[in-house]
Amino acid sequence: EPEVTQTPSHQVTQMGQEVILRCVPISNHLYFYWYRQILGQKVEFLVSFYNNEISEKSEIFDDQFSVERPDGSNFTLKIRSTKLEDSAMYFCASTLRGDGYTFGSGTRLTVV
Amino acid sequence: AQKVTQAQTEISVVEKEDVTLDCVYETRDTTYYLFWYKQPPSGELVFLIRRNSFDEQNEISGRYSWNFQKSTSSFNFTITASQVVDSAVYFCALSETPGANNLFFGTGTRLTVIP
Repeated sequence: EPEVTQTPSHQVTQMGQEVILRCVPISNHLYFYWYRQILGQKVEFLVSFYNNEISEKSEIFDDQFSVERPDGSNFTLKIRSTKLEDSAMYFCASTLRGDGYTFGSGTRLTVV
Repeated sequence: AQKVTQAQTEISVVEKEDVTLDCVYETRDTTYYLFWYKQPPSGELVFLIRRNSFDEQNEISGRYSWNFQKSTSSFNFTITASQVVDSAVYFCALSETPGANNLFFGTGTRLTVIP
């Protein structure tokens, strides 16, 4: 069964450093998403991406965040200057047309 | 705006008991999708079911069943004869249509099945 792949599975970074989280969505999917889950809390929407541009973003997705689809397979989330409160599990997801969303296994980001 | 409420924060049951996880949603759209996801201790999100707003038929899949009632805006999930492997956090989620809109998640219910 096709999978969404996320790397790395765990990243530790110092406050103020830039991090890039990587995702390889399912190849024929058209819509891509990043979600965040702070430990013990609910899964929160960050941003959606379609046709090579952001289609929607939440208030969490401020100027510190950016997304890119640099080639035909990768989908990245960049945090420019990490803060302690950015520590969370970050999930990538993709869908063909919105009737089913496949999630990656997540990247646990720890900011120290 | 959409909202998903999972009022049960934590539930504990003894193995082989049945358990129902509640989900109540709010949306202004007439067409939408509802989902349940399981998050085991390992952390990934596992898709369980999708239901569109026009299909109120209840669904059964093995020990899992779902009761969708538009009249009460509820989409409840029942596990029959629970097992220890069912221990996880379960999330209900809503996606408004048309288009592939983002999923809006409830706060989750942590289910612990005691052997």
